[in-house]
This record gives sequence, C-alpha cells and structure tokens, in this order.
Amino acid sequence: GQQVMQIPQYQHVQEGEDFTTYCNSSTTLSNIQWYKQRPGGHPVFLIQLVKSGEVKKQKRLTFQFGEAKKNSSLHITATQTTDVGTYFCAGKLTFGTGTRLTIIP
Amino acid sequence: GAGVSQSPSNKVTEKGKDVELRCDPISGHTALYWYRQSLGQGLEFLIYFQGNSAPDKSGLPSDRFSAERTGGSVSTLTIQRTQQEDSAVYLCASSLRGAQYEQYFGPGTRLTVT
Repeated sequence: GQQVMQIPQYQHVQEGEDFTTYCNSSTTLSNIQWYKQRPGGHPVFLIQLVKSGEVKKQKRLTFQFGEAKKNSSLHITATQTTDVGTYFCAGKLTFGTGTRLTIIP
Repeated sequence: GAGVSQSPSNKVTEKGKDVELRCDPISGHTALYWYRQSLGQGLEFLIYFQGNSAPDKSGLPSDRFSAERTGGSVSTLTIQRTQQEDSAVYLCASSLRGAQYEQYFGPGTRLTVT
C-alpha cells in the first residue's frame, strides 16, 4: 500500500532559525495536504498543493510539491514559539509519519 | 458554524468490553473519516465514508472494529472485546466531498483500556 515518510522525525531549533520538513510518497499523488497538530490538539489543515512543481507561501511558511508529485516540503523561515507542533503531510487517506518541531527560546 | 464534534472525550473501559465512539461531522460534509493516533505517533487511517457507504475500510485493524454512518451525518465507531493495544486517541474528520478536500478534525476520543 501507499507509504508516506517524513524526515526528520524530530527537529529542535533555536527561535529565529529556519526549519524544513520533507515528505516522500511511495506512489504518485494527485495532491498533497499539510496539517499542523499542536501539543494536545488535533490536526489543523494548512494548505493543499495540486500541481507538479507548485510552490505556495503563507507568511513565513513555504510549501513545495515536487515535479514528480511524489515529494513535498515545508519550510518555515525565522521560527517562532507559536510554530511548535507536529507537521504532517497527507496524500489521499495516508498521513505521513510527521515531524515534531520544538523551539528553544 | 459548528465544527466536528466527538463523544465521549475520554473513555476508560475494561479489557473485553465493547465501546462506541461517536462523531458528528460538519453539516453538509459528505465525507467522513476515522483515524487512530497512539501517543506521540502519526495518524493511522481506519475507514472512510462517502455518504452512508464506506468505499474504503482497508484500515480497520481487525474484525473487532466496525463503523457505520446513518443519514449521511453521524457516525459511530464500535470496538468489540477491547484489548489494551486499542488504547489511543480516535480522531474523526469530515470534508466537503472526497479526500481531495481539506479535512476538518474533531477533538478526538481518548480511549484507555485497562
């Protein structure tokens, strides 16, 4: 079946540093979604990418969908304490393994 | 409007007992999903409903797990003869139509099997 892996599993950064998580699917995806889950909370939708090579930005967050539509990345510039949480990518009904981001103030 | 609601928020049950978890999706959302999340882990897909039918129930871990949806709205996930490994947070989500639309998650039901 479809597998979606994310790296790294954990990331600790100093506040103000950048952060990137990578998502790789074993199969080609029609679209990819990104979600954020705060500690103790439930996943919240961030964005959906549909087109090959698509890049979308939300303030300090930049999302990219690979040309082959099998990988994606999320980059956060100048992290803030509010960015703490686990970031998941999702293809169809399969969620990635997630990257847990912690911020050192 | 109201978001996805789930009940109960917490459930503690003894091993071997049956439990029912309920999900109320956002009004008008035709697609409904159940996931399971163990502590500190990712989301494990269980089942997907489009209307009242379940075109994908491939994630149900065993025949002790079943789910139904009535009236294209409320869904219940039933776990029979619970085992300790069933302990997890069970999350429900809904989307406007299919999986290509963003999913809105409920707060989850934390199930503890003792």
